[in-house]
Amino acid sequence: SQTIHQWPATLVQPVGSPLSLECTVEGTSNPNLYWYRQAAGRGLQLLFYSVGIGQISSEVPQNLSASRPQDRQFILSSKKLLLSDSGFYLCASKGYTDEAFFGQGTRLTVV
Amino acid sequence: GENVEQHPSTLSVQEGDSAVIKCTYSDSASNYFPWYKQELGKRPQLIIDIRSNVGEKKDQRIAVTLNKTAKHFSLHITETQPEDSAVYFCAARPTDSWGKLQFGAGTQVVVTP
Repeated sequence: SQTIHQWPATLVQPVGSPLSLECTVEGTSNPNLYWYRQAAGRGLQLLFYSVGIGQISSEVPQNLSASRPQDRQFILSSKKLLLSDSGFYLCASKGYTDEAFFGQGTRLTVV
Repeated sequence: GENVEQHPSTLSVQEGDSAVIKCTYSDSASNYFPWYKQELGKRPQLIIDIRSNVGEKKDQRIAVTLNKTAKHFSLHITETQPEDSAVYFCAARPTDSWGKLQFGAGTQVVVTP
C-alpha cells in the first residue's frame, strides 16, 4: 500500500506570511494527488488535484496555490496567509486501486 | 458536480447497540462509495467501500448498503464498542472524475460504555 508523508504536523503563522506544505508519496508511481482542507468540525473540502507532473486543477477559488514538481511530490503554498486559511490540511494519493490514502495532516493556525 | 449529504451529524449509542449513518448523492455517474473513519486529530482511514455493481458489502461488524435507484448508501456498525467512537465520512466518486472524492460533512459517533 501507499505511504503519504506530510509535514509539518502543526504550524502557527502570522497573517500575511507565506506558506509551504509538502507531501511526498511512497509505494506507487504516477498517482493522482489531492489537497483537502478540513475546517473545525466540518467535512473535507477538495482544494486542488493533480494527475501528473506540472498538472494542477483548482476546485475552489482561494488564496492558495499548488505545485507538483516531481511525480510523487505535491506542495501547497500561499504568498500571504489570511485568517480564514486556518484549518487541517490533508494530502491524499490515489494509485491504481480505488482507495485514496491520506497523509497525517497539517494543522495550520493563522494568527 | 457531485453533492453528498450525510445524516446525522452526531450519533450517540450505547455500547453493544447498532449505529447507522446515511448518505445521499446527486450524480448518477458516481460508481464508488467509500467510508472513512477519522479519530481526533488523525488522518481519515478507509474502513469499507462499495462499488455501484454491488448492493451490500460486509466486513465483520461493519456493513454498507447501496441503493442506486434512490441514490443513497448507508453504513451499519453492529455491536458498537468504545473504540468505534470517531468521525465517519461517506464519499462518492463519479466516473471520469480523476479520482476526486466528494465527501459528506461527517458524523460524530460517540459510543458510551
